[in-house]
Amino acid sequence: AQSVSQHNHHVILSEAASLELGCNYSYGGTVNLFWYVQYPGQHLQLLLKYFSGDPLVKGIKGFEAEFIKSKFSFNLRKPSVQWSDTAEYFCAARGTGGGNKLTFGTGTQLKVEL
Amino acid sequence: DTGVSQNPRHKITKRGQNVTFRCDPISEHNRLYWYRQTLGQGPEFLTYFQNEAQLEKSRLLSDRFSAERPKGSFSTLEIQRTEQGDSAMYLCASSSRPGQMNTEAFFGQGTRLTVV
Repeated sequence: AQSVSQHNHHVILSEAASLELGCNYSYGGTVNLFWYVQYPGQHLQLLLKYFSGDPLVKGIKGFEAEFIKSKFSFNLRKPSVQWSDTAEYFCAARGTGGGNKLTFGTGTQLKVEL
Repeated sequence: DTGVSQNPRHKITKRGQNVTFRCDPISEHNRLYWYRQTLGQGPEFLTYFQNEAQLEKSRLLSDRFSAERPKGSFSTLEIQRTEQGDSAMYLCASSSRPGQMNTEAFFGQGTRLTVV
């Protein structure tokens, strides 16, 4: 069965700390991978995506993620977080064989303290 | 793009009543999705349309749920005989203009349903 796991459910960091959020997926075949962010009271927004090519992808607001096929992982990173990064972060995967539905992880609630 | 629009934003209903939600996707997007999100969980796929054709339905979508996209533009999701377990955020997303291959999905702000 297709699944996405996010192991960090709640993360609290101080401003300027580095961030890494884990994401592992279980899928048969080729996958597209995504990180979405949901700021308080707002809709899900795309941070970054991986379809193919360079496994290190850069997204908006200084976020990046690395696709490691051998580890079935797509971890999200940011060298220095800001208070405005406080949000919930969702990793998602989609098979490329059709259907197009996204399978989401349970999300990571990030709180950045001043 | 004005984004994906969902109405209403909030709905409180009594158990046993029927409710209907509307989703207006981004203009010309031919793929439309419905998801459900409960507290502490990520969105879960419910159903997917390509134009007016409903191509996939999750086993989460019981017989009480029905979705339509009659003209390939807006979509409605109806829940009949609501139960307390139906309380959730219902999210709509759209993707892919004609000629585009797989692209990312853009989400609306959701309709929060509370069944009392």
